[in-house]
Amino acid sequence: DAMVIQNPRYQVTQFGKPVTLSCSQTLNHNVMYWYQQKSSQAPKLLFHYYDKDFNNEADTPDNFQSRRPNTSFCFLDIRSPGLGDAAMYLCATSRSALNTEAFFGQGTRLTVV
Amino acid sequence: AQSVAQPEDQVNVAEGNPLTVKCTYSVSGNPYLFWYVQYPNRGLQFLLKYITGDNLVKGSYGFEAEFNKSQTSFHLKKPSALVSDSALYFCAVRDGTGGGNKLTFGTGTQLKVEL
Repeated sequence: DAMVIQNPRYQVTQFGKPVTLSCSQTLNHNVMYWYQQKSSQAPKLLFHYYDKDFNNEADTPDNFQSRRPNTSFCFLDIRSPGLGDAAMYLCATSRSALNTEAFFGQGTRLTVV
Repeated sequence: AQSVAQPEDQVNVAEGNPLTVKCTYSVSGNPYLFWYVQYPNRGLQFLLKYITGDNLVKGSYGFEAEFNKSQTSFHLKKPSALVSDSALYFCAVRDGTGGGNKLTFGTGTQLKVEL
């Protein structure tokens, strides 16, 4: 059974047109993460939520925003996508204890045209 | 600051031979260490973790990893590689003392197992 679900799996958007990626979880985990991964590189943490507390990475561009309306859902908004934002976006969840592993969704591959 | 280094971009091994994928880490506090595997166009799958206790941890699909505090390493191993093990492997670290929930990944190692 899928536990972390990302929609859509593939997203094509136009340069500069706002786009939203979604993530849902059935694990009831406190922590939700958004990572950006470019062509077989390391996943790069954009931000994460601990419950409703939002933690932004210092080098995450302002163009990237996130919302977490409830425990189960988290959204990644890209306000004005550029060609450099084309990547795989990975959502992950974990329990609040630091010794627990993160569970990843299948990812959304974003193409910017 | 926490970081992970995977010094090899690619590791090639013959099926049936043992494999090792290297990882070293840097954290201020206690390291919590993880290995993940990624197949093409898929998310990351958890393999194993070290939190405390026995330095040799066993995980999924016959993989194991050895924690070495003095060398700040956490190398992934498997006694006998399979062609189906070919994938991208990531090491990750979380600071267990005051680092928050941030999980930092290495750059990944492509494992290729050949017949």
